[in-house]
Amino acid sequence: SQQGEEDPQALSIQEGENATMNCSYKTSINNLQWYRQNSGRGLVHLILIRSNEREKHSGRLRVTLDTSKKSSSLLITASRAADTASYFCASPGRSNYKLTFGKGTLLTVNP
Amino acid sequence: GAVVSQHPSWVICKSGTSVKIECRSLDFQATTMFWYRQFPKQSLMLMATSNEGSKATYEQGVEKDKFLINHASLTLSTLTVTSAHPEDSSFYICSARDNRDRGWNGGGYTFGSGTRLTVV
Repeated sequence: SQQGEEDPQALSIQEGENATMNCSYKTSINNLQWYRQNSGRGLVHLILIRSNEREKHSGRLRVTLDTSKKSSSLLITASRAADTASYFCASPGRSNYKLTFGKGTLLTVNP
Repeated sequence: GAVVSQHPSWVICKSGTSVKIECRSLDFQATTMFWYRQFPKQSLMLMATSNEGSKATYEQGVEKDKFLINHASLTLSTLTVTSAHPEDSSFYICSARDNRDRGWNGGGYTFGSGTRLTVV
């Protein structure tokens, strides 16, 4: 079963705006990871946040984690048309490192 | 950075034939690799965990005789779709976990670029 559930399922914004995607998960985690997938391509790892961290930054990306609510958010600031892609959250199993994915958010950034 | 090479990137085969997909870690060793399947506009579904030197672990509902996995070295895992049928048409993606990433302090996983399989 899917570990994470992202919302919204689709998000369309204008270039320069910020994009926020949310992820909820069901079981306890050691870390939560965000990935990006361009259409018809493999996934690219964006950022990992550990269960004892609350916020992490990487360039224009900001990730938060609320373990009490079992939720995470990914914020992309000053979006660009090239950010258009699907974004997935995922977490590894506690004992087997299997990475299971949410349904993803399709982000469209209009120029 | 870590790179996983996946080949072929696309393949068209006739119904009833078998297709082999390779997943190779280029600059790191991976005892564990994972195979996913993705239908259009859907998420990735884990099919199996490939373990070097031992049998793969399949997820519930995945036919191990249909999807043969061989992980013969620390840098190569292969997925063979046997007796392919049109319903096997999908996007298959592998990922690998660097052996140096121990416990939960390692980085993310590295993914191949995927293989688009079309069975006609």
